[in-house]
Amino acid sequence: QQQVKQSPQSLIVQKGGISIINCAYENTAFDYFPWYQQFPGKGPALLIAIRPDVSEKKEGRFTISFNKSAKQFSLHIMDSQPGDSATYFCAAAFSGGYNKLIFGAGTRLAVHP
Amino acid sequence: GAVVSQHPSWVICKSGTSVKIECRSLDFQATTMFWYRQFPKQSLMLMATSNEGSKATYEQGVEKDKFLINHASLTLSTLTVTSAHPEDSSFYICSARDRPGMSYNEQFFGPGTRLTVL
Repeated sequence: QQQVKQSPQSLIVQKGGISIINCAYENTAFDYFPWYQQFPGKGPALLIAIRPDVSEKKEGRFTISFNKSAKQFSLHIMDSQPGDSATYFCAAAFSGGYNKLIFGAGTRLAVHP
Repeated sequence: GAVVSQHPSWVICKSGTSVKIECRSLDFQATTMFWYRQFPKQSLMLMATSNEGSKATYEQGVEKDKFLINHASLTLSTLTVTSAHPEDSSFYICSARDRPGMSYNEQFFGPGTRLTVL
């Protein structure tokens, strides 16, 4: 119930295309769903996050779509660029306690010019 | 704002020695800090959660006597890997949360420390 399942494991997209990464969770108590971007040898950086009271959030080229009934959320990267090539992690957390983040397995995105 | 630093960025040590990694919140007070371990091409695995002035809470399977965590101030937490062995070689990342009521739930991550045990 604590797991967050992420797919695909790796993704190749052409420059200008749309990158889509999906995540699913089981625990309905989760109420915070962030996405992180990590470059090799660096710590993860928060890209965008959403709460279950909204179905979509957009920040620049990055959009989170959230389906509460299906317990799924996804990251869409519009107009993908070679500089977006990185590993992306979805995560989930719930209120109370220390708000531990439960991470997905990660998706390695390669954007080809 | 919300910058977290780690020191050192990389360290190589001999098997059997101890290594200390520092995690600092530079521009905010971190009531809670988290320590993660990441093996190559894998996700972040939470090792422990520490709150300033209290004992750390370790995740299942993490040896508390091997990975000593100290959170002595609101801006500093340390992870000491005692009697390190080659299997402890990994990328160690810390994160920090600021005071409750601000930046709800958001954790700010450090740049990571690459530990290699020979």
